[in-house]
Amino acid sequence: DAGITQSPRHKVTETGTPVTLRCHQTENHRYMYWYRQDPGHGLRLIHYSYGVKDTDKGEVSDGYSVSRSKTEDFLLTLESATSSQTSVYFCAISDGSRTSLDNEQFFGPGTRLTVL
Amino acid sequence: KNQVEQSPQSLIILEGKNCTLQCNYTVSPFSNLRWYKQDTGRGPVSLTIMTFSENTKSNGRYTATLDADTKQSSLHITASQLSDSASYICVFTPGNLIFGKGTKLSVKP
Repeated sequence: DAGITQSPRHKVTETGTPVTLRCHQTENHRYMYWYRQDPGHGLRLIHYSYGVKDTDKGEVSDGYSVSRSKTEDFLLTLESATSSQTSVYFCAISDGSRTSLDNEQFFGPGTRLTVL
Repeated sequence: KNQVEQSPQSLIILEGKNCTLQCNYTVSPFSNLRWYKQDTGRGPVSLTIMTFSENTKSNGRYTATLDADTKQSSLHITASQLSDSASYICVFTPGNLIFGKGTKLSVKP
């Protein structure tokens, strides 16, 4: 998985609790992304980062926040988890050799989150 | 509206047989098209990358084609193996990434 790890790999939590997912890379890539994958939908972009402390929203960003204090780490936080946020979350990285969302992305192994 | 539709949703074939997966799109313009393979419980892995001006791209037993006139892309898998069992996703890049929902392929012995 191209030097990308995600933690935890599985998590079960209750509605209303905060949850933080971590993505860690060892490739020193500039761009990092968070996606969610749900049955009946393609992968959908939540947030992405184009550098340390530089982040932007994707198409399904409501209810999520992100932070990137180091090149290697990109955190996704659900401030107050809801059942609609039950999903598989994937982190991806790219080196930014072309436009930020245009170059090949390498995906992590995913985190399966269940919100009861 | 940019849309990507993949067919079939799922497919079962016997080991050793060939198969073709389809991707119809309305994305325009776009800079490149990727096909990804996603094994169960894993993240997607890139198989092929084509620019909008290319017609075909191969990676071993995988061959992707692109027909701009019919707005179709296909992924052809030759001499299928059990390890080809996975979901296959086409992805267009008109700046942002637009993902198809994938075709789930099962290869049976």
